[in-house]
Amino acid sequence: EAQVTQNPRYLITVTGKKLTVTCSQNMNHEYMSWYRQDPGLGLRQIYYSMNVEVTDKGDVPEGYKVSRKEKRNFPLILESPSPNQTSLYFCASSNRENTGELFFGEGSRLTVL
Amino acid sequence: DAKTTQPPSMDCAEGRAANLPCNHSTISGNEYVYWYRQIHSQGPQYIIHGLKNNETNEMASLIITEDRKSSTLILPHATLRDTAVYYCIVRVRYSNYQLIWGAGTKLIIKP
Repeated sequence: EAQVTQNPRYLITVTGKKLTVTCSQNMNHEYMSWYRQDPGLGLRQIYYSMNVEVTDKGDVPEGYKVSRKEKRNFPLILESPSPNQTSLYFCASSNRENTGELFFGEGSRLTVL
Repeated sequence: DAKTTQPPSMDCAEGRAANLPCNHSTISGNEYVYWYRQIHSQGPQYIIHGLKNNETNEMASLIITEDRKSSTLILPHATLRDTAVYYCIVRVRYSNYQLIWGAGTKLIIKP
């Protein structure tokens, strides 16, 4: 089954404790992206990657890092989480020819205390 | 990318066709219209996209006006599971540009 898998789905952590949210897709997609969703602000892009070893900033990259060492994986790293990073996070992927047709993961709800 | 305008909410009776409008009066010639939906807090789900011709797939139909300034997403026989927020987005298809997500339309299907 074609899917985008995120882990963990739920996490409560404390300020400053580094964490990684993993994202993996099994569709051989070149394009991957991370979004965060906050009430009243909609979906906002954090980072995206057009292919292996190619990443770029989205609208709200501050406080986040990503890497794309393999085509299927695109982890989101919070080096020193802060309470304003409490949010619902989505990973998405698509093929290069149609980056508007995104497949989304189920989401990761992160709470930073 | 062009902006879109959608009504904040709509109701539809179960079994009837749900027609969701979207205005995109500043759309450019090479911009496509995309529709997504998000059920509760799940990941958004791609529904359909089109350029200027009407499109239909197993989920919905997309009707784009001849001047391309507006479109309508049609769910032909709405069910309770179609209750969701529906997003209309316009964007160049082959692009590095991100999708710009607005507030969408909250569609409530009533029994």
